[in-house]
Amino acid sequence: AQKITQTQPGMFVQEKEAVTLDCTYDTSDPSYGLFWYKQPSSGEMIFLIYQGSYDQQNATEGRYSLNFQKARKSANLVISASQLGDSAMYFCAISGAGGTSYGKLTFGQGTILTVHP
Amino acid sequence: DARVTQTPRHKVTEMGQEVTMRCQPILGHNTVFWYRQTMMQGLELLAYFRNRAPLDDSGMPKDRFSAEMPDATLATLKIQPSEPRDSAVYFCASGLRNEQFFGPGTRLTVL
Repeated sequence: AQKITQTQPGMFVQEKEAVTLDCTYDTSDPSYGLFWYKQPSSGEMIFLIYQGSYDQQNATEGRYSLNFQKARKSANLVISASQLGDSAMYFCAISGAGGTSYGKLTFGQGTILTVHP
Repeated sequence: DARVTQTPRHKVTEMGQEVTMRCQPILGHNTVFWYRQTMMQGLELLAYFRNRAPLDDSGMPKDRFSAEMPDATLATLKIQPSEPRDSAVYFCASGLRNEQFFGPGTRLTVL
């Protein structure tokens, strides 16, 4: 079984500052993937970034980077230079990488990020 | 810009009625997923398909829910009969390798 824990129900950040959203995971799969999604108030789920468990380098996508620490089982999302449009719910998720677990996402409870002007 | 599409976007129905939700995955994607989002349970996987074959529907109440993929361009999720506790947002997602792209969701209200 896989599990994602997001311990921050809500986070606040000033515009243009960086913010880190925490995510820890638990899995027995030797190979897995970690994802972050953004859900604005409109309700859509927007894919942000992906990290494979065997990737040597931390994933980056524009202002998003994933701070992957395998030994600590953490996959924190870092958003640099926050913008007002970053205010949303953020979900961390994990998927298995083999057999029938492949692609199945298990989500955390989410963190609501509010960006202040 | 390829997107997952879902219909209807909103559905209000009465308890006991049949509900069918449709999803068109992104062309070329070989995996399709159905998720349900509620305030209490968060996001839960209901069912998923790879190359149109059902691989896992263990998250779905079998007595009233059914998921099918009649062809590569259409996935359906059916609830019969619907109950108030089925009220939720139902997302379809499709993927090919690592990414998984979500549709806009169907907001279902069962009165």
